Amino acid sequence: DTEVTQTPKHLVMGMTNKKSLKCEQHMGHRAMYWYKQKAKKPPELMFVYSYEKLSINESVPSRFSPECPNSSLLNLHLHALQPEDSALYLCASSLRTSGRDNFDTQYFGPGTRLTVL
Amino acid sequence: TQLLEQSPQFLSIQEGENLTVYCNSSSVFSSLQWYRQEPGEGPVLLVTVVTGGEVKKLKRLTFQFGDARKDSSLHITAAQPGDTGLYLCAAPRMGNSGGSNYKLTFGKGTLLTVNP
Repeated sequence: DTEVTQTPKHLVMGMTNKKSLKCEQHMGHRAMYWYKQKAKKPPELMFVYSYEKLSINESVPSRFSPECPNSSLLNLHLHALQPEDSALYLCASSLRTSGRDNFDTQYFGPGTRLTVL
Repeated sequence: TQLLEQSPQFLSIQEGENLTVYCNSSSVFSSLQWYRQEPGEGPVLLVTVVTGGEVKKLKRLTFQFGDARKDSSLHITAAQPGDTGLYLCAAPRMGNSGGSNYKLTFGKGTLLTVNP
């Protein structure tokens, strides 16, 4: 089973709303990722959690707040977003192998299509 | 800076034609992944190549990793409308030992349209 699930599938929110995106995997992966993707562009990394600790924050604005409650769950809390934040938000996970070769394939979820009005 | 140059950026062909997508870099990678993404969906992993010169086949798709592990190609035989999508190559960035700063470098993608 190489499935990463994300909810909701679609989300429309106003600039004053607070909402959360959820991601779940049961593959025993210990690294989880949030990406933002604009139409016809490659995904852009936002955050990486490794063993439930925030490992990478790619200078993401504070209106995006990640949370990793346990090894299977990853949330992205949204507050005071801007229309330009509208995009497909992708969650991914990987086994997080140790060692120098970095052979650590990432598996993506179906994404949440976010529209900020 | 490790860059993956993908070409062509756009490709529109008729059903039944063959095509090749290229992913090139001046950097050496330990592995390389190919993903296909349909509109509104997440990227789906097609293959991971690891060994220089490796060739992998997935039905009508043939993937090759260059001998020097700097480039890769994806060849589709007898394309079908179901092959339509954004094809992305991706490779891990060479970070600190142990992969503590593991990140993926993505190519810009090839948007393939197969017309019936």
